[in-house]
Amino acid sequence: QQQVKQSPQSLIVQKGGISIINCAYENTAFDYFPWYQQFPGKGPALLIAIRPDVSEKKEGRFTISFNKSAKQFSLHIMDSQPGDSATYFCAVRKGTGNQFYFGTGTSLTVIP
Amino acid sequence: DTEVTQTPKHLVMGMTNKKSLKCEQHMGHRAMYWYKQKAKKPPELMFVYSYEKLSINESVPSRFSPECPNSSLLNLHLHALQPEDSALYLCASSQDDGLSPQHFGDGTRLSIL
Repeated sequence: QQQVKQSPQSLIVQKGGISIINCAYENTAFDYFPWYQQFPGKGPALLIAIRPDVSEKKEGRFTISFNKSAKQFSLHIMDSQPGDSATYFCAVRKGTGNQFYFGTGTSLTVIP
Repeated sequence: DTEVTQTPKHLVMGMTNKKSLKCEQHMGHRAMYWYKQKAKKPPELMFVYSYEKLSINESVPSRFSPECPNSSLLNLHLHALQPEDSALYLCASSQDDGLSPQHFGDGTRLSIL
């Protein structure tokens, strides 16, 4: 059973554009919402994370928007660069036990 | 360079072999994790250790046997694996405080012949 649904599956953006990836969940026990970036041959690397008591968090070009009532959160990459081309995963953490579940992933390609 | 080190980077083994994957971190993290990742799929949680004790087993077949000998080391012992077990095996660690992110290694690429 997929704990978190992620869309789109793939995304192509022009350099300088905004990349937007969305995730939705059902279980209100989730209390931590990270986004990871993964390059081929590498492990996932944390980009940015948010807790449900905050509606938005920004770090550099990366912003998480969180809608608790809708049980949705999204990643916005501003001024997208070719170096941002990678697979992005949202994840959720269950309130107890360190159980993390990942979305299905979005393959982002930024065209120069 | 990643702060979680996994060895070996690549492993090819037959279905009757016994091998082990190793993971090491020196960040003082007390939670450690094993994930399995198939090509173009998300990581799937296998095991979680908290303070060197197994806290979560996500119904993983017994041919995978985890071990946490101390707070810095995590092993995954493999025996009688099947071809469908071929995947990237990722180790991660985090503080065990419910607030901290996971740090991942670059994985071991496992191929079962």
